[in-house]
Amino acid sequence: NAGVTQTPKFRILKIGQSMTLQCAQDMNHNYMYWYRQDPGMGLKLIYYSVGAGITDKGEVPNGYNVSRSTTEDFPLRLELAAPSQTSVYFCASSYRASGRVTDTQYFGPGTRLTVL
Amino acid sequence: KNQVEQSPQSLIILEGKNCTLQCNYTVSPFSNLRWYKQDTGRGPVSLTIMTFSENTKSNGRYTATLDADTKQSSLHITASQLSDSASYICVKTRGAGSYQLTFGKGTKLSVIP
Repeated sequence: NAGVTQTPKFRILKIGQSMTLQCAQDMNHNYMYWYRQDPGMGLKLIYYSVGAGITDKGEVPNGYNVSRSTTEDFPLRLELAAPSQTSVYFCASSYRASGRVTDTQYFGPGTRLTVL
Repeated sequence: KNQVEQSPQSLIILEGKNCTLQCNYTVSPFSNLRWYKQDTGRGPVSLTIMTFSENTKSNGRYTATLDADTKQSSLHITASQLSDSASYICVKTRGAGSYQLTFGKGTKLSVIP
């Protein structure tokens, strides 16, 4: 059971380039999330998904896109990378049963992205 | 303004000692308050989750408390170990029933021999 996996671990992009950050989970979780963590700041939610085919914006969605075609995978797409997107990106997943709000989020190891 | 404020920003303690980390939050209600541990270069790991009606939750040497009247939570670490060196993050849900989380900036704890 690998949990939540993310690739790549590190990436350097030039301004204007695009890339996809991969995230996969093998725990059959219904909810998946993308966060960014800037130095000295709290994590901020970019996008989330409550199930395959359903995604919604979080707190800081501008400049990003997501899709969720399967339960396991939740890729994050950066279009036209900007220096402001330099950050550490974390994917997380959880199983939320109907009516429950105390689901534990399991985080991946993160992707460190630098945009120059 | 972040709805979750943590103190101190950083803390150094001797191995074997106890410590308490503080979290103040604004905006109620919420459905639950969480504490996470984040080792350097790793993703956060959940320590405790307390609902609005709970006032204490333990996980081994970690004990979290919640005072809804004063809007404060604390994380007490007993008999600290070198492996406790990490950032500890206080997190609250954005509202009752919400699955969106508001993260504090964390307290960086260093345990030295």
